[in-house]
Formats: sequence, structure tokens, C-alpha cells
Amino acid sequence: GAGVSQSPRYKVAKRGQDVALRCDPISGHVSLFWYQQALGQGPEFLTYFQNEAQLDKSGLPSDRFFAERPEGSVSTLKIQRTQQEDSAVYLCASSLTGNSYNEQFFGPGTRLTVL
Amino acid sequence: QQQVKQSPQSLIVQKGGISIINCAYENTAFDYFPWYQQFPGKGPALLIAIRPDVSEKKEGRFTISFNKSAKQFSLHIMDSQPGDSATYFCAARTGANNLFFGTGTRLTVIP
Repeated sequence: GAGVSQSPRYKVAKRGQDVALRCDPISGHVSLFWYQQALGQGPEFLTYFQNEAQLDKSGLPSDRFFAERPEGSVSTLKIQRTQQEDSAVYLCASSLTGNSYNEQFFGPGTRLTVL
Repeated sequence: QQQVKQSPQSLIVQKGGISIINCAYENTAFDYFPWYQQFPGKGPALLIAIRPDVSEKKEGRFTISFNKSAKQFSLHIMDSQPGDSATYFCAARTGANNLFFGTGTRLTVIP
């Protein structure tokens, strides 16, 4: 498996529930990104990790959103007390190093629907 | 505030024709401009990218034209094929790592 994988692929949550979305980056990739893609829109940046360090979380829309990458590989995006406006596809991307010209490889995304 | 503006929203082209998608930006700190292709149910995949020190980059049927003074760049798909039918996103990045995406163009190539 050479690519970025994400799980689950689809998640339905009732409003107010907590959800956790997982990203497995390409092995050896230092940088990891989370993006949110609303229906019919382009992806929007949420947060960025270099190894286990979260270097930028300026795109997280509220304090209900939390991301971690404790061992510098797998990352989890957690959304607490989900709201209907959280419904979107959540994309994870990884790149080889922190060099800003390195290609970001995207996973297939997790489609979150909040009822 | 949309950092990168993209048009058209949708595009229908005959097989063999040229598809043209345009993007504009304001932030002169942007120094890397990639184009991504996205198929339904998949994540975006890098198609081609350009830095602002060149005015054009060509890879196969795909060409980026870049106009630094106008702060505009465009994607040209020559000899468009039905397999090119997808959503295309332009993007831009500063020295920081996060990408700013356009709103996307849904391309349909008719056989």
C-alpha cells in the first residue's frame, strides 16, 4: 500500500456526538496535513504536522476540533459535539519533508455526515 | 475571503478540443502554484505545478501559463479526452506549507 489511507471512508454521526477520523500517511513522510472539503468547494486547510509537532493549527474552525500525531506517523482528527455544519469530506495529505515545494499526496478522504 | 479565485465553475468540451481553466490571486507572497485533478470519491492528485520565475510549463497535454504581473495563471488541456472528465483545482502556497485552493472547475469531455 503506497498511498495515504484514511478511515473510516464514511461516517454518519448524530448532532452532538464525538467522532475520530484516522489518517495513515505514506511511510517515512515527515509532513502531514488535514483539509476540510465542503460539497462543491475546494479543500480548506485545517492543520499541519511536522513529525509529531503540530506547527500550524490556524485553520481549525473551533475548539471542538482537535488533531494529534503522537508518534509522528498516524494522525487522528477528532471533532467533539459535532454540528451539522461539520458535514464535509475530511482529507489528509502527507509529504516527504517540510520543504514547501514537496508534493502533497492526498488520501481518499472521510465523508462525514452529521444529522 | 477566497485567496485564489477560479473560473469557470463548469466546462463542457468536445473530445479533441482545448480545455482552459483560469485562476487569479492577490497575495504576492505565493511562490508555488499547483493544479490538482480530483475524480469522484478520490482525493486530489497533483497534475502539474509552476513557480513564478517561469511563464509557462508543459507536461504532455497539460500546460500552465503564468502571468506574474497580472497575478493570473491558467491550465490548458490540449486534445481533451473523456478520461480527463474530473474536477480541477488550482492552488497556491507561500513559504508556509498549507495550500490555498480555488473553488474547482468540473470538466466534462464529450465523446
